[in-house]
Amino acid sequence: AQSVSQHNHHVILSEAASLELGCNYSYGGTVNLFWYVQYPGQHLQLLLKYFSGDPLVKGIKGFEAEFIKSKFSFNLRKPSVQWSDTAEYFCAVNAYGNNRLAFGKGNQVVVIP
Amino acid sequence: GAVVSQHPSRVICKSGTSVKIECRSLDFQATTMFWYRQFPKQSLMLMATSNEGSKATYEQGVEKDKFLINHASLTLSTLTVTSAHPEDSSFYICSASGGEGQPQHFGDGTRLSIL
Repeated sequence: AQSVSQHNHHVILSEAASLELGCNYSYGGTVNLFWYVQYPGQHLQLLLKYFSGDPLVKGIKGFEAEFIKSKFSFNLRKPSVQWSDTAEYFCAVNAYGNNRLAFGKGNQVVVIP
Repeated sequence: GAVVSQHPSRVICKSGTSVKIECRSLDFQATTMFWYRQFPKQSLMLMATSNEGSKATYEQGVEKDKFLINHASLTLSTLTVTSAHPEDSSFYICSASGGEGQPQHFGDGTRLSIL
C-alpha cells in the first residue's frame, strides 16, 4: 500500500515569501500525484496533478510542483505567496489504474499580511 | 464544473441513532464515489470505495455493517452510520470521480457529533 509523508505540518510566512511544501511517497510502481488545497471553511479543491509527461506541473493560482521519480517526491512550490494562500495543503497519491487515494497529513500554511 | 454536494454539513444526535449522509455529484456522472473520515490534525482516511450499482469495497478495519454505503445512481451515494456511538464522532468527507484517471472532487464534509 502506498503512503504519503508531508513534513512541517505548520508553516507560517509573510506575504511575498516563497513557499515549498515537501511530499514523499512510498510506492515502487507508476503513480498519479495530486495536490489539494482546503481554504478555511471550504471543501478540498484540486490544485494540480501529475499523470505523465513533463515532471514540472503548473497548477492554479501560481502553484507548481515537480515530480522527481528518483526521490519519490512531488514538492509544491509558489515563488511569492499572498495572504489568500492561507489554507491547508494535502498531497495525495494513487497507483496507476487504481482510483484509491492515499493522503498525507497536510500542511497548515498561514500567510501573514 | 465538477461540483459535489454533501448533506448535511453538521449532525448532532444521541447515541444509538442512525445517521444518513448524502453525497451528490451535481454536474457530472460519478462512476466511483469515495468516503473518507478525518480526525483532527490527521490525514483523510479512506473508508470505502463505491461504484454505481455494485457493493462498496471497504478498507481494512472499517466495519461494513456499521457504515452502510449505497451507490444507487451515477450521481448519488449515501453513507449510513448505524447505531452511532460517541467514538463515531468525526468529520466525514465524500468525493466523486468521473472514471479511472479522473481526479476526485470533494464535498464540503459532514461534522458528526454523537452525544
